[in-house]
Formats: sequence, C-alpha cells, structure tokens
Amino acid sequence: KQEVTQIPAALSVPEGENLVLNCSFTDSAIYNLQWFRQDPGKGLTSLLLIQSSQREQTSGRLNASLDKSSGRSTLYIAASQPGDSATYLCAVGAQGGSEKLVFGKGTKLTVNP
Amino acid sequence: DTAVSQTPKYLVTQMGNDKSIKCEQNLGHDTMYWYKQDSKKFLKIMFSYNNKELIINETVPNRFSPKSPDKAHLNLHINSLELGDSAVYFCASSQLSATQYFGPGTRLLVL
Repeated sequence: KQEVTQIPAALSVPEGENLVLNCSFTDSAIYNLQWFRQDPGKGLTSLLLIQSSQREQTSGRLNASLDKSSGRSTLYIAASQPGDSATYLCAVGAQGGSEKLVFGKGTKLTVNP
Repeated sequence: DTAVSQTPKYLVTQMGNDKSIKCEQNLGHDTMYWYKQDSKKFLKIMFSYNNKELIINETVPNRFSPKSPDKAHLNLHINSLELGDSAVYFCASSQLSATQYFGPGTRLLVL
C-alpha cells in the first residue's frame, strides 16, 4: 500500500529565501508525481507533474525533482514571496497508468514579508 | 471560465438526511474524481469515472453513490448522513493520468 509523507508539516521563512519541501513515498513503482498548492478555503492548483521517466520539471521559480529509486521528490521554491504562502501537497500516481493519486498530508508554508 | 465547478459550495444539514453534490467540467476530460478532505486536511480519493464508467471505488460506505450522466458531469449522492461525513468534498478531472484539475470544494457540515 502506497504511503506518502511530507516533511516538514509546517515551514515559516522570511521573504526572499530559497526553500525545499520534501516528499517521500514507500512504493517506488509509480506512474507519475504531482505537486499541488492549496490556499485556505480553496481547491487545489496543480503546480508540476513529473512522469516516472523524468528527473525534474521546472515552472518559473519552482523546480520539482524525482528520484524514483529512493522514493523521494523535492519541490524547490526560489526567492520566496508572501504570495507563495499556502499548503503544498505531493501526490503519487500508481504504476500502470492508474488515475488514482495518493496524497501526502502537505507542508504548510508561510512566507513572512 | 470555470474549468471544474461544484455546487453547492456550502452544505449544512441534519444527521440522517440525504444530499447530493454536483460537479461539472468543461475541459473535455474523460476522467472525473471525487476526493474527501477530512478535518486534518488529509485528502483521499473516493471514486473515479472514465467515460461514465466507474474505475476506482475505494473503501467508501455504500451510503455514497456516484453517478455520471455524461463524461462532463459526476454527481455524488449521500444517503443517511452521519456526523463523520462532515468534510470538504473535491471534484477533479483529468485526461487519463495527466494533470488533475480540482474544483473549489463543497464544505459539508452534518449536525
């Protein structure tokens, strides 16, 4: 049974810092991995999708890496801004092209001005 | 343009009632999902439909019955609501295993 863990559960940083959010998963036989952001009282917004054959994906100030063999992914946020404050969720898609995503519990990020 | 929409946004009801939540997507996706986010913010899949066919059915009480009249709609009907059903329910859609797009959520409170 796939389990996804995100560390830390909460993170507070000053504006401008570069930061890394961590995600680990127990079963390395994954199809893909997605990073989402969730703002309070809102739905989820997809940030990056990494296919199992890829090592990383970049979008603007965000870079996500994937190491399948070690069961880890990181989300790197460069030059953080107060608008980046949100909960970041990692979700793993099962191998075989299953549409089922297994989510971590998220990292709540606060960027202080 | 709203990609994935859900109604209602808020739902407050008494224990034992039956209620429905509706979801519509205008992205042309084949696959739709229902997720439940509990009070600890843990998000877990409940159901998934592909082209109106049920493909994922997690261990969910049979009081919950999804219905997909067409591939753009996936509704969730809940019978005999219980206190533990209080949560935020998210609808999502995707084109098979590609990026999933989420709706804004329906906040259900059972009193």
